[in-house]
Amino acid sequence: EPEVTQTPSHQVTQMGQEVILRCVPISNHLYFYWYRQILGQKVEFLVSFYNNEISEKSEIFDDQFSVERPDGSNFTLKIRSTKLEDSAMYFCASSEQGAGYTFGSGTRLTVV
Amino acid sequence: RKEVEQDPGPFNVPEGATVAFNCTYSNSASQSFFWYRQDCRKEPKLLMSVYSSGNEDGRFTAQLNRASQYISLLIRDSKLSDSATYLCVVNLRYGGSQGNLIFGKGTKLSVKP
Repeated sequence: EPEVTQTPSHQVTQMGQEVILRCVPISNHLYFYWYRQILGQKVEFLVSFYNNEISEKSEIFDDQFSVERPDGSNFTLKIRSTKLEDSAMYFCASSEQGAGYTFGSGTRLTVV
Repeated sequence: RKEVEQDPGPFNVPEGATVAFNCTYSNSASQSFFWYRQDCRKEPKLLMSVYSSGNEDGRFTAQLNRASQYISLLIRDSKLSDSATYLCVVNLRYGGSQGNLIFGKGTKLSVKP
């Protein structure tokens, strides 16, 4: 079964550092997403991406965040200057027209 | 006001029991509805979509009441492997393949031998 792959599975970074979280969506999917889940909290939408541009973003997705699809396979989330409150599980997801989402197994980001 | 509200549980039930989860959503413009399952520290996985007519998938039955903005999930003959957190999810877009998913905080189920 096709899957969404995320790397790394766990990243520890110092406050103020930049991090890039990487995702390889399912190859024939056209829509890509980032969600996050702070420990003990609900899963929250960050951003959706279609046709090489952001289609929707939440209030959480401020100027510190950016997304990119640098080639035909990768989809990245960059946090420019991490804060303690950015510590969370970050899930990438992809979907195709008329079908449901597939989530990756997530990257646990710990900001110290 | 919470967009998707669920009883957090935990629901502790014996194997073989029937258990029901409820969920309410605040936005009447919501178009598509789902139950996801999330194991501890894992990604959400789609359990089933929820349709107005109600739908069943094996031991799982989902119901939607648009007038009351209420969604339910019934699990019959529960198994140890059903132990997880069950997430109620809505989407403002039809079909669920676009637009952002709005998650409830989840209801934790623990099935005991």
